[in-house]
Amino acid sequence: QKEVEQNSGPLSVPEGAIASLNCTYSDRGSQSFFWYRQYSGKSPELIMFIYSNGDKEDGRFTAQLNKASQYVSLLIRDSQPSDSATYLCASLGVSGSARQLTFGSGTQLTVLP
Amino acid sequence: NAGVTQTPKFQVLKTGQSMTLQCAQDMNHNSMYWYRQDPGMGLRLIYYSASEGTTDKGEVPNGYNVSRLNKREFSLRLESAAPSQTSVYFCASSEGGHQPQHFGDGTRLSIL
Repeated sequence: QKEVEQNSGPLSVPEGAIASLNCTYSDRGSQSFFWYRQYSGKSPELIMFIYSNGDKEDGRFTAQLNKASQYVSLLIRDSQPSDSATYLCASLGVSGSARQLTFGSGTQLTVLP
Repeated sequence: NAGVTQTPKFQVLKTGQSMTLQCAQDMNHNSMYWYRQDPGMGLRLIYYSASEGTTDKGEVPNGYNVSRLNKREFSLRLESAAPSQTSVYFCASSEGGHQPQHFGDGTRLSIL
């Protein structure tokens, strides 16, 4: 069974600090990885996606992928209270006739003013 | 710029009742998906449609049926609702392949 594991938290960081969110996955066939942000009572919103080993930066967000270790992370620099949300990690693998996302259960992040 | 639209947003049913959740996307995406989200369990795939005319089971299909009505619309039907189906249901769509999925606002369903 394909699994994506995340530390459920809660993770608390002070405003302005770097928040580090981590994720491991079991399916070595996964080729794409996604980070979604979900505010309480809202739908998941795509933050970043990464396909290649290494780092990918977009504004205050950096996604890191290490396929050998089956590890994905998301760094949020200069964290703001508005970043407080649950962050979902997902891996895209092949099952049946299509590629399917497998989600972790999410890490709850709180940024303290 | 609607994206993925789900109806209804909220629904309360009695055990044994049936209902259909509607989903439509205006992004000309090929693939569409139905998920359920329960506390502490993340998102679990119920059914998906890789392209118009095809549907396949996901991780938790029991108790559900789907219809890909056309490229835009993908509906989820509960034939005989059970309390275990109380959940938040999300529809998503994507271009397919490695492209990311985009989610609707969800339907909050309670079954008494």
